Amino acid sequence: AQTVTQSQPEMSVQEAETVTLSCTYDTSESDYYLFWYKQPPSRQMILVIRQEAYKQQNATENRFSVNFQKAAKSFSLKISDSQLGDAAMYFCALTNTGNQFYFGTGTSLTVIP
Amino acid sequence: DVKVTQSSRYLVKRTGEKVFLECVQDMDHENMFWYRQDPGLGLRLIYFSYDVKMKEKGDIPEGYSVSREKKERFSLILESASTNQTSMYLCASSMGPSAKNIQYFGAGTRLSVL
Repeated sequence: AQTVTQSQPEMSVQEAETVTLSCTYDTSESDYYLFWYKQPPSRQMILVIRQEAYKQQNATENRFSVNFQKAAKSFSLKISDSQLGDAAMYFCALTNTGNQFYFGTGTSLTVIP
Repeated sequence: DVKVTQSSRYLVKRTGEKVFLECVQDMDHENMFWYRQDPGLGLRLIYFSYDVKMKEKGDIPEGYSVSREKKERFSLILESASTNQTSMYLCASSMGPSAKNIQYFGAGTRLSVL
């Protein structure tokens, strides 16, 4: 069985500061992908960043980066220079087939002006 | 840009009604998915389809069925709606059976069953 756990239901950050959202997962597969998706209030869910399990280098997309610790099965998202538009629900997800994705329960991020 | 369109943003139905949720994607994607999103539970997969007329059960298929007669359209059917099916329903599509493929989501349908 594959599971994804997000232990922080809610987080807050001051505008321009840095915040890290946690995600742990469990899988017996050796090849898989991990994703962070963002769901702004009343808007569509969009991809923030993805990581291939066999790549040791952490993925980065502008102000978003991940800390991928394969042995610890940890995949945290760091948001630098937080902006008001970063306020959203963030979901961590895992797949090894592309046919079935496993999502965490989400972290609601508030950005304080 | 990939567009995944769900036919309704909000729906209110009565217990026992047959409910159809429609989803259309415009990028010729092979895979389509229906999820249910509830607070504290995240996204749970109801069904997915990897080709026309092909479907696979997800984690919570009970009380739901699906139809995929055309590649671009994936319908979720609640045969007899119940109050515990009140939820946000998300449709998604992806290119095909590769783990690297990104899922693209629709805006969601918030269904209330009274």
